[in-house]
Amino acid sequence: GENVEQHPSTLSVQEGDSAVIKCTYSDSASNYFPWYKQELGKGPQLIIDIRSNVGEKKDQRIAVTLNKTAKHFSLHITETQPEDSAVYFCAAIERSNYKLTFGKGTLLTVNP
Amino acid sequence: DSGVTQTPKHLITATGQRVTLRCSPRSGDLSVYWYQQSLDQGLQFLIQYYNGEERAKGNILERFSAQQFPDLHSELNLSSLELGDSALYFCASSVGANPDTQYFGPGTRLTVL
Repeated sequence: GENVEQHPSTLSVQEGDSAVIKCTYSDSASNYFPWYKQELGKGPQLIIDIRSNVGEKKDQRIAVTLNKTAKHFSLHITETQPEDSAVYFCAAIERSNYKLTFGKGTLLTVNP
Repeated sequence: DSGVTQTPKHLITATGQRVTLRCSPRSGDLSVYWYQQSLDQGLQFLIQYYNGEERAKGNILERFSAQQFPDLHSELNLSSLELGDSALYFCASSVGANPDTQYFGPGTRLTVL
């Protein structure tokens, strides 16, 4: 089955700096890669996603890049703000059984 | 607010008991997914229903069952509860049968004492 590895598990940055979270996946047939943000006491919130026919996607301060050959994708947050502090999860669809497999999460802390 | 609602928000019960968690998907969404989130296992997919029919199954225990009703709301039934079942249970929904673009509800925190 699909295996999604996410790094780092914790990331601390200063306000205004950039943050990068990386994920690798094992199923070469995977073609959808979402990123979720989970704040304390809340459910995961879809913040951006990318499909395999696209190499990069941007939405304001957030961008995702995908390298299908290397089977990895990354989340980039620029000009970080304290409200970006949360746990971020990457995921990939396992086409063989139609399920979304999540990484273990990255706790991002943005220090004011 | 994702538009997915879950009740109850918190549930405290004893080992051996049975509980039911309820989920209403976003308006227009036909698929409902159930996930379990624990500190050691992370977010684990349990089961998906699409338009009333079971579509995909993940790491769901035999003590757990789910169904989706004609109005598309879903219930997750957990029976013979064990201490290890204590976790956050999330429901998500999507428009179609494929498991992409899922929107999550606020979750139900289950504590088994």
